[in-house]
Amino acid sequence: DAMVIQNPRYQVTQFGKPVTLSCSQTLNHNVMYWYQQKSSQAPKLLFHYYDKDFNNEADTPDNFQSRRPNTSFCFLDIRSPGLGDAAMYLCATSRGRASSTDTQYFGPGTRLTVL
Amino acid sequence: QKEVEQDPGPLSVPEGAIVSLNCTYSNSAFQYFMWYRQYSRKGPELLMYTYSSGNKEDGRFTAQVDKSSKYISLFIRDSQPSDSATYLCAIGRFTGRRALTFGSGTRLQVQP
Repeated sequence: DAMVIQNPRYQVTQFGKPVTLSCSQTLNHNVMYWYQQKSSQAPKLLFHYYDKDFNNEADTPDNFQSRRPNTSFCFLDIRSPGLGDAAMYLCATSRGRASSTDTQYFGPGTRLTVL
Repeated sequence: QKEVEQDPGPLSVPEGAIVSLNCTYSNSAFQYFMWYRQYSRKGPELLMYTYSSGNKEDGRFTAQVDKSSKYISLFIRDSQPSDSATYLCAIGRFTGRRALTFGSGTRLQVQP
């Protein structure tokens, strides 16, 4: 009964080689988020989709892009990974209802290694 | 100043101890408060949430919020080795920027 699924769980890429991480959800939630989490640090929000509306955080590098082709799927594209992009990438979803706690449900994460 | 400050630990306690985990925040606009637990190499999972000052209990866990001091706590009674994880506080608001703001997490180790 997995609710937020991330693939792959571990991804190794080479410096500068584009990589795509995948997230899918069975919760039918309106909002999908991508976070970057480095060791012993808080998850850092990169961007989120509210339905089809894309919301980029001001400090997210241009190297990071996202696509949401339908409600269930969201992709994180890293166009030219650098060594500093090695991290755990977390996908999360929430209902997105106004005036309510917007509980986020996280996937297990994809650990990205850049060689 | 970070919006949310959390002591990174690590915090090591013997099994059965009462654990106190804390966060402070700077913006009084925040309206609800959550605690997530994150096991090693896994995604965070929601433990508790609350939006009022005072205490909220759920089994061995108690979340406490003091909005006047901008201080939130999570207490774990009768701690177990299975509680060993990183605990992240997260705060949010009903309007405006909806994204949660996370603390950096406190790593807890419960020794058997």
